[in-house]
Amino acid sequence: TQLLEQSPQFLSIQEGENLTVYCNSSSVFSSLQWYRQEPGEGPVLLVTVVTGGEVKKLKRLTFQFGDARKDSSLHITAAQPGDTGLYLCAGGGFQKLVFGTGTRLLVSP
Amino acid sequence: ETGVTQSPTHLIKTRGQQVTLRCSSQSGHNTVSWYQQALGQGPQFIFQYYREEENGRGNFPPRFSGLQFPNYSSELNVNALELDDSALYLCASGRQGGKGDTIYFGEGSWLTVV
Repeated sequence: TQLLEQSPQFLSIQEGENLTVYCNSSSVFSSLQWYRQEPGEGPVLLVTVVTGGEVKKLKRLTFQFGDARKDSSLHITAAQPGDTGLYLCAGGGFQKLVFGTGTRLLVSP
Repeated sequence: ETGVTQSPTHLIKTRGQQVTLRCSSQSGHNTVSWYQQALGQGPQFIFQYYREEENGRGNFPPRFSGLQFPNYSSELNVNALELDDSALYLCASGRQGGKGDTIYFGEGSWLTVV
């Protein structure tokens, strides 16, 4: 069974701080996705990483896929209150996703 | 706006009852998956339908069943509801075989079993 562990589970920071969220597994994934979910809504895809060692940037968000394709990280620079939400990593087949345990981020003004 | 709509948004059921949740996907999305998300956890894969046939199932008992219709809508049925079935149920759809692998989630149906 493929499992994805995320850390930390909860993060409360001030606006302007930097943070990193980790997603780890003992299994190899052909790709990993990162989602953000806000209260009352479904997850929204942020990025898909496919190649080991790949780095993708989305404005202030930087995503990295581990060389062995077993782990990934999400780094947010200068966090803003609008970044508040539940961040989920996910891997697996098309739509048969295994989701991580989630990291709940709270950014205070 | 993902183009995936779910209904109802919230409902309360009694233990032992049956529930049907509905999902309407974007035109052309031939694949739909259902997920259960308990409070404070990540979504868990229930099952997937591709061209109206079940195409994979997670670790959920047979009392969780589904249907996919030709008009890009689908249903999740849960029989003999248990308290632990209380969760957010998410529908996700996409086009397998199309360009890219983006799937789109609906906003979910909150089910409370009392």
